[in-house]
Amino acid sequence: EAQVTQNPRYLITVTGKKLTVTCSQNMNHEYMSWYRQDPGLGLRQIYYSMNVEVTDKGDVPEGYKVSRKEKRNFPLILESPSPNQTSLYFCASSFSRGTFIFGPGTRLTVL
Amino acid sequence: EDKVVQSPLSLVVHEGDTVTLNCSYEVTNFRSLLWYKQEKKAPTFLFMLTSSGIEKKSGRLSSILDKKELFSILNITATQTGDSAVYLCAVVKGGSEKLVFGKGTKLTVNP
Repeated sequence: EAQVTQNPRYLITVTGKKLTVTCSQNMNHEYMSWYRQDPGLGLRQIYYSMNVEVTDKGDVPEGYKVSRKEKRNFPLILESPSPNQTSLYFCASSFSRGTFIFGPGTRLTVL
Repeated sequence: EDKVVQSPLSLVVHEGDTVTLNCSYEVTNFRSLLWYKQEKKAPTFLFMLTSSGIEKKSGRLSSILDKKELFSILNITATQTGDSAVYLCAVVKGGSEKLVFGKGTKLTVNP
């Protein structure tokens, strides 16, 4: 089944403890991106990647890192999480000029 | 600054009603406009619109794009309680493939 998977789906952590949210797609899509969704602010792009080893900042990249070493994987790294990064995170992928398929989401709480 | 504005922000109707959701945009390097449905989980794809005046249809849902006036509408006829969701409009920027989202319209369909 064609899909985007994210892990973990739910995470509660403490300020400053490094964490990684994984994202993987099985559709051979070139393009992958990360979004966060907050009440009243909608979905905002954090980082995106046009292909392997090609990444760029979105609208809200502060406090996040990404890497794209393989086409299928695009992990989101929070080196030192803070409470303002408590949010619902979505990974998405697409072919160039295609539609975007979203992962199931990761609900992160930083205490 | 790129902007996607959806209206209304929320809407409550009765089953069987017809609704029209609006999306206007000011985005440089427009490539396409996407509509998604979100029901407490990941956004699911509804339509991709790239050309003006061509209606896309799927069952009771339809959508059309006006590239001259920079807006799109999503129509839902004979609404059902299962249509209750947040409907998201997003514009894809050419080149970067960046998605710019509106804040969504929350539709509630009462029996």
